[in-house]
Amino acid sequence: EPEVTQTPSHQVTQMGQEVILRCVPISNHLYFYWYRQILGQKVEFLVSFYNNEISEKSEIFDDQFSVERPDGSNFTLKIRSTKLEDSAMYFCASSENQASSGKLFFGSGTQLSVL
Amino acid sequence: GESVGLHLPTLSVQEGDNSIINCAYSNSASDYFIWYKQESGKGPQFIIDIRSNMDKRQGQRVTVLLNKTVKHLSLQIAATQPGDSAVYFCAENPGTASKLTFGTGTRLQVTL
Repeated sequence: EPEVTQTPSHQVTQMGQEVILRCVPISNHLYFYWYRQILGQKVEFLVSFYNNEISEKSEIFDDQFSVERPDGSNFTLKIRSTKLEDSAMYFCASSENQASSGKLFFGSGTQLSVL
Repeated sequence: GESVGLHLPTLSVQEGDNSIINCAYSNSASDYFIWYKQESGKGPQFIIDIRSNMDKRQGQRVTVLLNKTVKHLSLQIAATQPGDSAVYFCAENPGTASKLTFGTGTRLQVTL
């Protein structure tokens, strides 16, 4: 069964450093998402991406965050200057259709620890 | 404000029994609801979905019930198995096209 893959599985960084989280969505999917989950809390929406542009973003997704689809297979989340409160599990997801009419397939996540 | 919440943080059931996991939502504009299962160390996995024009939908061993009058969603798992042990999240699409709002999660523990 096709799956969304994320790398790395764990990332440790110093506060103020830049990190790039990488994702390979399912190949025939057109909609891409990043969500995050702080330990013990809800899964929170960050951003959705379609047709090479952001469709929607949450208030969490401030100027320190950016997304990119640099080629036909990868989808990345960059945090420019990490803060302690960015520590969370970051999930990439993709769907064939928009979230309202299709189901999302999630990757296994990248655990980001900011020290 | 908008919220999707779960009544019970942990549910313990015996193997073979039926499980019922509940979820309340507050946004009456939501028209699409999904249940996800999250096993330890993995991302959320789609289980079943339901649109607001339905009140019941069945899958393999799972049934989702939607009561729009009281803004309540439930997931029923028949003949619960040890492999069903996980955290279950309800999620809603609050009318915007591209995001889901997740609830806080219920941990299902299946005892032998």
